[in-house]
Order: sequence, then structure tokens, then C-alpha cells
Amino acid sequence: DIQVTQSPSTLSASVGDRVTIICRASQSISSWLAWYQQKPGKAPKLLIYKASSLESGVPSRFGGSGSGTEFTLTISSLQPDDFATYYCQHYSGYSPSFGQGTRVEIK
Amino acid sequence: EVQLVESGGGLVKPGGSLRLSCAASGFTFSRYSMSWVRQAPGKGLEWVSSISSSSTYIYHADSVKGRFTISRDNAKNSLYLQMNSLRAEDTAVYYCARSPWELLFHFDLWGRGTLVTVSS
Repeated sequence: DIQVTQSPSTLSASVGDRVTIICRASQSISSWLAWYQQKPGKAPKLLIYKASSLESGVPSRFGGSGSGTEFTLTISSLQPDDFATYYCQHYSGYSPSFGQGTRVEIK
Repeated sequence: EVQLVESGGGLVKPGGSLRLSCAASGFTFSRYSMSWVRQAPGKGLEWVSSISSSSTYIYHADSVKGRFTISRDNAKNSLYLQMNSLRAEDTAVYYCARSPWELLFHFDLWGRGTLVTVSS
């Protein structure tokens, strides 16, 4: 099965910072990658699909890039509402899996 | 309102069974693949099972294969997860989730989740 690995596990940043989270797949997944934001006690929220497509209603400060085995989620200017945990997820084939998560904390 | 609402969670003893339900509203349920995703306390997300719109294709994670069964009733706009032979490691919040495209298992709509606790 394909595994996805995120880095870093935790990220400390300030409001206004540019933030980048990396997701690596154990083999090529083309562009079949999604990113989610999750806040404590809440369900995940889809941010990005097909590696770089912004989900409707998601602020444009969120961006995704990459293909094959390496992907990035970038928040161009971190806002107070963005402190949360972020997960990547591959959906290549019929056994999807999630990264372990990146917690974005206030510095 | 477009929403998914899970129910059926609770406390069950190891080896026991439980059936989760997910009620869909506000969209044409029969057009979408659906899935269950779980999250153990303080842990990350784990895909559990998926089913195509007409139930033709069903997939389960290796960790639940042979113990869990996903199903749906399009006439009732409902998704189900029958969980048998439950183990302590099955303790988690179980989310029902919708895939925006058939057989592409990423998830654009999630329920609030239902907690399953497996403990003696």
C-alpha cells in the first residue's frame, strides 16, 4: 500500500508568516492528493484536492503544489483562524491513506 | 442544508458488535461514493471503508477486513458500518464522509462523528 509522510510534525509560526508543509508519497500518486484542516473536536475540512485545486470557499492564502511523490501545502500569510492540524491524504487507487498530521502552533 | 449525521456509537465490550449509521440530507445521496474514516483519541485520521454509489464496489482497510462491513440504502439516504469482533484498538471517533467524484476517495463533506469505545 502507498504511504504518505508529512513534515514537520509540529510547526510554530506567527500571524503573517508564510508556512509550508511537505507531504511525500512512498510511490508516485500523480496528482491524487488532498489536504485537510482539522480543529480540536471538529471534523476535517477539505482545503485542496488534486494536489493544487482550491476547494470552493477556502481562502486563497492556501495553496497546494507538487506531483508524483512530493507535495507542499503553503499558507501565504498565516491568520489566527489557521492554527490547527493539517493532514495530507492520497487517493491513488482504492486504499487511501492519510499523513500523520502537522500541528501549526502559535509562536 | 447539506449534511451528514452519524449515530450508533457507544461503549461495547471487546469481541462485541455495533452498527453505525449515517443519515444524509440536502444532496442526491445515490450519486456519491461514501466512506467511513476514524480517528483514535489524540491520533491521526485513518481510512476505514468505502462504497460506490450503487454498492457495486466496496473497499475495506486491512485493519478491519473480515470484521467490518460497509453498506448503504439509497432509498433511505443512509450509510452503515457493521462492526463485529471489536477490539480495543477500534476505539475512535467514526466519521461518515462523501467523495465528490465516484471512486475517487477524497472527502468534501464530513459528519460530526460518533464515538465508539471498546472496553471491558
